[in-house]
Amino acid sequence: GAVVSQHPSRVICKSGTSVKIECRSLDFQATTMFWYRQFPKKSLMLMATSNEGSKATYEQGVEKDKFLINHASLTLSTLTVTSAHPEDSSFYICSAKIGTGWRETQYFGPGTRLLVL
Amino acid sequence: AQSVSQHNHHVILSEAASLELGCNYSYGGTVNLFWYVQYPGQHLQLLLKYFSGDPLVKGIKGFEAEFIKSKFSFNLRKPSVQWSDTAEYFCAVNAGTDKLIFGTGTRLQVFP
Repeated sequence: GAVVSQHPSRVICKSGTSVKIECRSLDFQATTMFWYRQFPKKSLMLMATSNEGSKATYEQGVEKDKFLINHASLTLSTLTVTSAHPEDSSFYICSAKIGTGWRETQYFGPGTRLLVL
Repeated sequence: AQSVSQHNHHVILSEAASLELGCNYSYGGTVNLFWYVQYPGQHLQLLLKYFSGDPLVKGIKGFEAEFIKSKFSFNLRKPSVQWSDTAEYFCAVNAGTDKLIFGTGTRLQVFP
């Protein structure tokens, strides 16, 4: 089946530093990937849509200069949290879209837990 | 704006009990509907999805869901739950785009 990986699985960093999270589709190509944020006991909140070879589309309220997204290849999207602060601590999940129409499905990565001290 | 409501936040059942988790969405047009499951410590997995056709959709692990357009609902059901069904269940919708809007999730605990 379609497998999506994320690296790292967890990261602890100091306030003010930047953290890069990778999302890879391992056995398929994905022109579109998505980045979500999941708060404790809350739902997944879509942050942005990452399109290979073009700029990401950010959801309302998500700072594009703080959450930099790069989708340089059909199997890799990266999310960089710049100048991280404690309020950025969260669980970040990516997904990759495969198929179109009724075959369209998103496959999710295992998530990255970020803790900013 | 589109939204998804899951009214059951936490459900506790004994094994062999029947399960129904509610999901309602707000959008007047054509929708695609999904149920995802997140087992403890694991990533989200697709349980089932509805795009068109038969409103009763069967998924993996004995789960099914019924799309009732007039009620804007897509409830998840399983006739007899198992301890291994303990997980968080998320309903999601997309409408005209490829973006998924998720409900807040329902935590299911099944006791032997």
